[in-house]
Amino acid sequence: EPEVTQTPSHQVTQMGQEVILRCVPISNHLYFYWYRQILGQKVEFLVSFYNNEISEKSEIFDDQFSVERPDGSNFTLKIRSTKLEDSAMYFCASGGQGQEQYFGPGTRLTVT
Amino acid sequence: RKEVEQDPGPFNVPEGATVAFNCTYSNSASQSFFWYRQDCRKEPKLLMSVYSSGNEDGRFTAQLNRASQYISLLIRDSKLSDSATYLCVVNIYSTLTFGKGTMLLVSP
Repeated sequence: EPEVTQTPSHQVTQMGQEVILRCVPISNHLYFYWYRQILGQKVEFLVSFYNNEISEKSEIFDDQFSVERPDGSNFTLKIRSTKLEDSAMYFCASGGQGQEQYFGPGTRLTVT
Repeated sequence: RKEVEQDPGPFNVPEGATVAFNCTYSNSASQSFFWYRQDCRKEPKLLMSVYSSGNEDGRFTAQLNRASQYISLLIRDSKLSDSATYLCVVNIYSTLTFGKGTMLLVSP
């Protein structure tokens, strides 16, 4: 069964550093998403991406965040200058023509 | 403003029991509805989509009432492996809005 994969599984970084989180969506999916979940809280939408551009983004997704699909398989989330409050689990998801979304295993980001 | 509201639980039930979870959503523009399950520190996994006509998948039955903006999930014959957090999720313009989840603990 095809799966969304994410790397790394855990990233520790210092405040102010840039991080890039990587995702490989399911191969025939066209819609890509990033969500985050702060420990003990609900899953929150960050951004959706379709046809090589952002289609929706939340208030959380400010100028410090960017997404890219650099090639035919990877989908990345960059946080330019990390803050302590960016510490969370970041989930990538992908979807096909239907509205179901399938999540990757997540990257746990710890900002110190 | 709570967009998707769920009872956090936990619901403690013995194996074999039937348990029901409810959820309400505030945005009437919500287009599609899902139940996901999430194990501790893992990703949400799609359990089932929810349709107005009601739908069943094995031991799981989901129901949607658009007029009341209410979604339910019924689990019959609970197994130990059903222990997890169940997330009520609504889709508005291709973005998923999650509830905080209801924790289920199934004991032997």
